[in-house]
Amino acid sequence: DQQVKQNSPSLSVQEGRISILNCDYTNSMFDYFLWYKKYPAEGPTFLISISSIKDKNEDGRFTVFLNKSAKHLSLHIVPSQPGDSAVYFCAASHSGTYKYIFGTGTRLKVLA
Amino acid sequence: EAGVAQSPRYKIIEKRQSVAFWCNPISGHATLYWYQQILGQGPKLLIQFQNNGVVDDSQLPKDRFSAERLKGVDSTLKIQPAKLEDSAVYLCASSPLAGGSYNEQFFGPGTRLTVL
Repeated sequence: DQQVKQNSPSLSVQEGRISILNCDYTNSMFDYFLWYKKYPAEGPTFLISISSIKDKNEDGRFTVFLNKSAKHLSLHIVPSQPGDSAVYFCAASHSGTYKYIFGTGTRLKVLA
Repeated sequence: EAGVAQSPRYKIIEKRQSVAFWCNPISGHATLYWYQQILGQGPKLLIQFQNNGVVDDSQLPKDRFSAERLKGVDSTLKIQPAKLEDSAVYLCASSPLAGGSYNEQFFGPGTRLTVL
C-alpha cells in the first residue's frame, strides 16, 4: 500500500518558467511533510517542509502548498533553473511514529 | 562540517554471498537511519537507531539483514545471504535530535548493491 504517491515520474520545464511537482497521500494521520532533492550518485538533500497547521510555506524560489482536504501537496519552483534538474521526493510523517514515508519521486528536467 | 560518510560506494556480489555496508554519521548526531531504495521507488526505512539502541526495525528482514551501531557512532548493515531482490541503493542518514520529534535527516551518498 503506497501511502505517498507521486504520479508523475518525470517533468520537463523551460528555464525561467514555473515547475509544479505534485504529491498525494492517503493517511489522514500525516501531519508533517517534506520535499527532498536528489542528484545522481548523491544522497537526498532536504529542501523544504510544511506542518499540517499551515497551508503554505515559502523559502526563496521554493514554495510548498498543502491541501489537507484533498490530501495533496505541491512544490512550486519559480523561476526554474537548470541546476534544479534532479529527482524530487516528497515524504510524510505523523507524530505517532515520526517515520518518514517517501513517494516514488519525480524527475525534473529544466531545459536551458 | 563533514557529511554522512558511507562505504563502499558500489558493490557487486553473487546471490547467497554476504555483504556489509558501513556508515559514519555526522559528529554528534543522535539518530541514525538505514534506508533501502529500489530502482524507481522512494527510500524505505529499514532500521532506526537512537544512540546505540534500536528504535524501529519493523521493516528489516531479520532473517537475512542485521545492523548494529557501535558505541552510538558508526553503524554497519549486513546482508547474509543476499538475494537478487536485495539489489538497491542503501542510504544511511543521521539527524541531530533524538527520536520523538520531526527533525531534518542528512543523507550519505549511498551504496549501490548489485546482486547477480
